[in-house]
Amino acid sequence: NAGVTQTPKFRILKIGQSMTLQCTQDMNHNYMYWYRQDPGMGLKLIYYSVGAGITDKGEVPNGYNVSRSTTEDFPLRLELAAPSQTSVYFCASSWDRAKNIQYFGAGTRLSVL
Amino acid sequence: AQKVTQAQTEISVVEKEDVTLDCVYETRDTTYYLFWYKQPPSGELVFLIRRNSFDEQNEISGRYSWNFQKSTSSFNFTITASQVVDSAVYFCALSEAGTYKYIFGTGTRLKVLA
Repeated sequence: NAGVTQTPKFRILKIGQSMTLQCTQDMNHNYMYWYRQDPGMGLKLIYYSVGAGITDKGEVPNGYNVSRSTTEDFPLRLELAAPSQTSVYFCASSWDRAKNIQYFGAGTRLSVL
Repeated sequence: AQKVTQAQTEISVVEKEDVTLDCVYETRDTTYYLFWYKQPPSGELVFLIRRNSFDEQNEISGRYSWNFQKSTSSFNFTITASQVVDSAVYFCALSEAGTYKYIFGTGTRLKVLA
């Protein structure tokens, strides 16, 4: 059972470039999340989804976009990369609201130079 | 407003010492959930425990124990007889019923020295 899989693990972008961070889960979870983790800080919620076709903004959505066309996939899009987006990105999923134990991927370390 | 405070930024202990990681939370809801996650040097986040607001029983799992006290809005985590493998960043998180979004603390880095 793979759980939550994120690709790539590492990426360096130039300012202004675009990229998509991939996230796939094989647990049939309805809820999926994207977080960013900055040094010395906790995780901040970027976007989340409660099911296919439904997404909503979290605390820090500016500069990002998401889509959820299937239950399994929840990609995060950076359109015009900026140095402020240098961070570690985590995708997570959870079964339902009642239990809400979130299972995390291994993370993507992104540097924007 | 919801908030989670982990006032200890970094703790260093010698192997076999006991160590307690503090977590204080703020919420107006009567129904909420508290979590602890471990982030080892490899970077992934590993779920440790979930506790709901109606269950104030302390929990023990091997060398790990958790003390939930609603009167002081605290959910502290104790590692008994610490080991080098316990070295990690530990995060406390809060989720209010009906929101399914976590509010994370800033984490406590635990270093266990051999």
